[in-house]
Formats: sequence, C-alpha cells, structure tokens
Amino acid sequence: AAGVIQSPRHLIKEKRETATLKCYPIPRHDTVYWYQQGPGQDPQFLISFYEKMQSDKGSIPDRFSAQQFSDYHSELNMSSLELGDSALYFCASSLSGLRVNTEAFFGQGTRLTVV
Amino acid sequence: SQQGEEDPQALSIQEGENATMNCSYKTSINNLQWYRQNSGRGLVHLILIRSNEREKHSGRLRVTLDTSKKSSSLLITASRAADTASYFCATASYQGAQKLVFGQGTRLTINP
Repeated sequence: AAGVIQSPRHLIKEKRETATLKCYPIPRHDTVYWYQQGPGQDPQFLISFYEKMQSDKGSIPDRFSAQQFSDYHSELNMSSLELGDSALYFCASSLSGLRVNTEAFFGQGTRLTVV
Repeated sequence: SQQGEEDPQALSIQEGENATMNCSYKTSINNLQWYRQNSGRGLVHLILIRSNEREKHSGRLRVTLDTSKKSSSLLITASRAADTASYFCATASYQGAQKLVFGQGTRLTINP
C-alpha cells in the first residue's frame, strides 16, 4: 500500500539559507499535517491543511510557511535557517481530518541539519 | 510535551515479558492513537481508540482508554526484541483542531 512520501530524506543547509520540504500524502487523503521533532523530544505540531486550506496552526515560526497544492501534496518552506531548526520534520496525512476518527499516517521524515 | 505525560519515560524488560505504557492527556478528546518510532525513523501507526471505546485489541497489542481519568495504556504481550522502540500516544480533540497532540513517549528496550 502506498504510504506518505517525504523528500528529501536528508538535507544539510547553512545558517540563513532556505529549505523546502515536500510531502506527498497517501492517495485520496485530503488532510496533511507537519511536525517537528528535536532529538529526544516528542513531535511538535507545526501546521495542518484540509482540502488545500490551512486548518490549524501550532508553534510554527514566522520564518516558516507551508501550503497544500491542488494535487494535495504539501510543501514546507523554511527561510533564514537557524541552528535550532535542525530536527526531523514529519508529514502525516489522513482522510477527512481527525474529527471523523481516521488514522493519521506519517512519512519517514526529512532530517534537516543546519550548519 | 504539548499534551501530558507518558509513564514510564523508559522501560527495560526481558524478551517474553509484557510491557505496559501509560499516557495521560489534558483535554477532551475525539480519539487517541498510539505510534511506535524506531530511533530516528518514522512514526508507525499502531492503533486508534475512540473516545466511546474502553478497550481495543490488535494482535499482541491491547489499548485501554479511561476518559474520566484522561488516561490510556498500551500493553504489549509476549514482547520481542523487535519491539524495542519509543512509543507515543497522540490525541485528537473535539475542539475542531486538525492536529494530533503527542505525549512525551516511552522508550522501551526488550533485552534478549
């Protein structure tokens, strides 16, 4: 079965550079979520989209932005990168959001290292 | 943690034993989901339990939910070395939010 695909898997950037992370949800899933996980930490919610509209927003820095496209894939854009942005970034997808008791499935993540 | 505590934070047992992990949360929920994560890898969905359910089984997994105490437990029976991982609970709330809120996770080590 198709899973959530994230690209790239690994990314190394220098401070103040820009990074773009991509997420391709499971086919027919209309909801995408982005999470950030630091070493030894629990995943922290960044932002979610439902039917291409921003649905909820968490602790996402102003330097980050995201969108969901017409084909439901999503991109997380990160500018003016800081050392503290180094983390695992996960994307998840679900069908019709979470309120209808559907599972959210996660991708393998993108490991971002800022040097 | 955004949501609450997982208990214990670390658990080490012998292969074949049962492992129980607990999770507490703060808000009213629509459902609670358990995930497994191998070191530095993706989050694998294990099981979803709805707020109107009290217990659910899937293979060697048994999940309970007590909404009055705002807590859940995950039991892994007959543990195997391959069960070594971190386990997280995550909640989805009624308040219209489209997000899962994660607990801190339990690091489970199964000793052969």
